[in-house]
Amino acid sequence: DSGVTQTPKHLITATGQRVTLRCSPRSGDLSVYWYQQSLDQGLQFLIQYYNGEERAKGNILERFSAQQFPDLHSELNLSSLELGDSALYFCASSWGSSNQPQHFGDGTRLSIL
Amino acid sequence: KNEVEQSPQNLTAQEGEFITINCSYSVGISALHWLQQHPGGGIVSLFMLSSGKKKHGRLIATINIQEKHSSLHITASHPRDSAVYICAVTPWGGSQGNLIFGKGTKLSVKP
Repeated sequence: DSGVTQTPKHLITATGQRVTLRCSPRSGDLSVYWYQQSLDQGLQFLIQYYNGEERAKGNILERFSAQQFPDLHSELNLSSLELGDSALYFCASSWGSSNQPQHFGDGTRLSIL
Repeated sequence: KNEVEQSPQNLTAQEGEFITINCSYSVGISALHWLQQHPGGGIVSLFMLSSGKKKHGRLIATINIQEKHSSLHITASHPRDSAVYICAVTPWGGSQGNLIFGKGTKLSVKP
């Protein structure tokens, strides 16, 4: 058990809809990372937050947004969903903002119909 | 060309064999990570290293910074080692810790 909790585990929705994925980091960890794993692109970095502030941005679409709350949990919001957004979305956490081992959640599997 | 390349893509071994998975990268890095992803999808961090060698049980990870190359070795492989092994790097510089991933090596160990 990594100590990182992601909910929900599975999500099925339709094109054009909006969903929110939630992540609770391991106790004591200040950084939260979001990654997307799709069949064609593999694992890709989306965004990092450190202690409530955005620290790094990767290949995150404008339709996607994230935030980290004062209690350090994070949410990833995906809107105007397209078929190609179907993927596994992982959250990871670490104590520091860089050069730290990352602890991964079990992922949220998003299926767009 | 991907910034992180792994070989082989697929690997089938017999139980007990010594296994090596290779990773080459083309960017400056702060650290290199080896991750394990089981068929259920969960990802476990195996190693984070920036120099030399680390060992944990039957797993050994090495890195050669000058050659931009890392290897993951599994001694006395077992069917429970069957998984996808992913090499990832933290790019050098800044205060960010995001990872750039290889495409993974799918390992199947037969009894």
